[in-house]
Amino acid sequence: QVQLVQSGADVKKPGSSVKVSCKASGGTFSTYSINWVRQAPGQGLEWMGRFVPRLGRANYAQNFQGRVTISADTSATTAYMELTRLTSDDTAVYYCERGAAGIDPYFDYWGQGTLVTVSS
Amino acid sequence: QSVLPQPPSASGTPGQRVTISCSGSNFNIGINNVYWFQQFPGRAPTLLIFRNNQRPSGVPDRFSGSKSGTSASLTISGLRPEDEADYYCAAWDDSLTGVVFGGGTKLTVL
Repeated sequence: QVQLVQSGADVKKPGSSVKVSCKASGGTFSTYSINWVRQAPGQGLEWMGRFVPRLGRANYAQNFQGRVTISADTSATTAYMELTRLTSDDTAVYYCERGAAGIDPYFDYWGQGTLVTVSS
Repeated sequence: QSVLPQPPSASGTPGQRVTISCSGSNFNIGINNVYWFQQFPGRAPTLLIFRNNQRPSGVPDRFSGSKSGTSASLTISGLRPEDEADYYCAAWDDSLTGVVFGGGTKLTVL
């Protein structure tokens, strides 16, 4: 059974950075992509980007270019999402998902979500 | 404004059929597969429909998806109280080179 377990909630100051982890178990980590989606309070879903372990490459949403880094430690089957220059608008629940290696948003397994609060 | 506009709300009574629309363009829905996700309050979304009209195992056949041109629809037949949730469409956008989500539709079962 595939499981994605994310790191716990975090509170950050404006201007700082946050790094969220996503530990995968079950399945073959390198076969899929790991995507990150966030959801601000009361808002919809927003795709941030993905990492394809087999290619060792990341793709990022244009809205987050230059501010987000998605990576993975294949040996530890853990993915990471780091977001820099935080503002209050970055307060959201951040989810990791297992996706297809291709472009389709075939997000069949999701992490439990990590609440990141940005507040002074 | 979402790249894939959806009606913000929809409603129906138990047993009714409800359809939620998702409007796109030739950069996304028109040329790529559409996916639908269901989300209950305080929970992570789950995959409901993939590749326009396919259901993952465990999803009741009351849920169906369709696509025509640059639009897609999710239809729920035989509405049940437990279907009350938020529904999101998604697709890859070739112009933005990324996944785009609809703004979400909150379904209320009256």
